[in-house]
Amino acid sequence: DADVTQTPRNRITKTGKRIMLECSQTKGHDRMYWYRQDPGLGLRLIYYSFDVKDINKGEISDGYSVSRQAQAKFSLSLESAIPNQTALYFCATSDPGTGGEKLFFGSGTQLSVL
Amino acid sequence: EDKVVQSPLSLVVHEGDTVTLNCSYEVTNFRSLLWYKQEKKAPTFLFMLTSSGIEKKSGRLSSILDKKELFSILNITATQTGDSAIYLCAVWGLFVKIIFGKGTRLHILP
Repeated sequence: DADVTQTPRNRITKTGKRIMLECSQTKGHDRMYWYRQDPGLGLRLIYYSFDVKDINKGEISDGYSVSRQAQAKFSLSLESAIPNQTALYFCATSDPGTGGEKLFFGSGTQLSVL
Repeated sequence: EDKVVQSPLSLVVHEGDTVTLNCSYEVTNFRSLLWYKQEKKAPTFLFMLTSSGIEKKSGRLSSILDKKELFSILNITATQTGDSAIYLCAVWGLFVKIIFGKGTRLHILP
């Protein structure tokens, strides 16, 4: 089955470090998203992109940046990591041809900022 | 402010029981409501509901939407230990605004 692949699966870093989380997909979807999940808070949207030249902020974009290098690749950067960015991060895709609402998620990156 | 509220937040039942998970919402320009199952990591899609009163069914799982009362329920009959997971409700509103609930953590005892 076509995949949404996230790397790394786990990452431990220190406060102040710059890190990048990567996402690639073989589904051929134009829309890509980055979410974070915190215990008790559900999934929250960080950034989304509808095509290579389109980047949009979500509800919690402060402290994050993204790059859409190609249709299949969407990376998330933490410019200067802080402990409250410790969370489970998901990349997701969707297909506007089917209404765009159904999200396909990667396996997640568990990030710990010490 | 748009919101999606799931209840209960946590539920423990015995194998074979039937469970009902609830999702209520207040979201501007409602387009659809989706249910996902999250086991170890990635949420996986269960149902998408757009019209009131039409039940979606897949095996022992079923879901229905009430757009007048602004809620949806997810039923699981004859539960099995493999149904243990977090069940997420999400509502798609205006543009790309998707609001997720906090999830219901379901644990099935053998």
